[in-house]
Amino acid sequence: DSGVTQTPKHLITATGQRVTLRCSPRSGDLSVYWYQQSLDQGLQFLIHYYNGEERAKGNILERFSAQQFPDLHSELNLSSLELGDSALYFCASSVEGRGVSPLHFGNGTRLTVT
Amino acid sequence: GENVEQHPSTLSVQEGDSAVIKCTYSDSASNYFPWYKQELGKGPQLIIDIRSNVGEKKDQRIAVTLNKTAKHFSLHITETQPEDSAVYFCAASPNQAGTALIFGKGTTLSVSS
Repeated sequence: DSGVTQTPKHLITATGQRVTLRCSPRSGDLSVYWYQQSLDQGLQFLIHYYNGEERAKGNILERFSAQQFPDLHSELNLSSLELGDSALYFCASSVEGRGVSPLHFGNGTRLTVT
Repeated sequence: GENVEQHPSTLSVQEGDSAVIKCTYSDSASNYFPWYKQELGKGPQLIIDIRSNVGEKKDQRIAVTLNKTAKHFSLHITETQPEDSAVYFCAASPNQAGTALIFGKGTTLSVSS
């Protein structure tokens, strides 16, 4: 058990809808990273928050947004969903904010857009 | 930005054989190189990592080597067991503000008994 909690485990929704994915980092970790995993693209970095502040953006669509709250949990919001957004979404946490310490991944949220 | 290439995409070995997975990276500023194992239905789990000031690191049956000049690093698994079957990812981190771990596309390792 990595100590990172992601909810929900599965999400099925229709095109055009909006969903929120939630992540609770390991106790003591200040950084939260979001990654998208699809079959042909591997793990794609979306966004990184450190202690409530956005630190880095990767290949995140404008329809997607995230935030990290004062209790350090994070939410990833996906709107105007398209079929191609179907994927596994992982949250990972780490102690520091420069990407050079181990990331601890949750078990992901599987999003299916129909 | 950083780009990580990983080969092979699939690898099948017999139990007891060795397995080698290779990765190359593009950003010479990268200095942290972890390897993750992902089992079905779970998130990636760190199995070993290496930093740029070290050429090789071992942990029981797993070893990682790093060649900074050539910008490539490899994962070696000896005496493979069926429970080693999983998807393995390499990653590189440029250690710069505004960046994050960049992953290769993964290698599916199958160990048959």
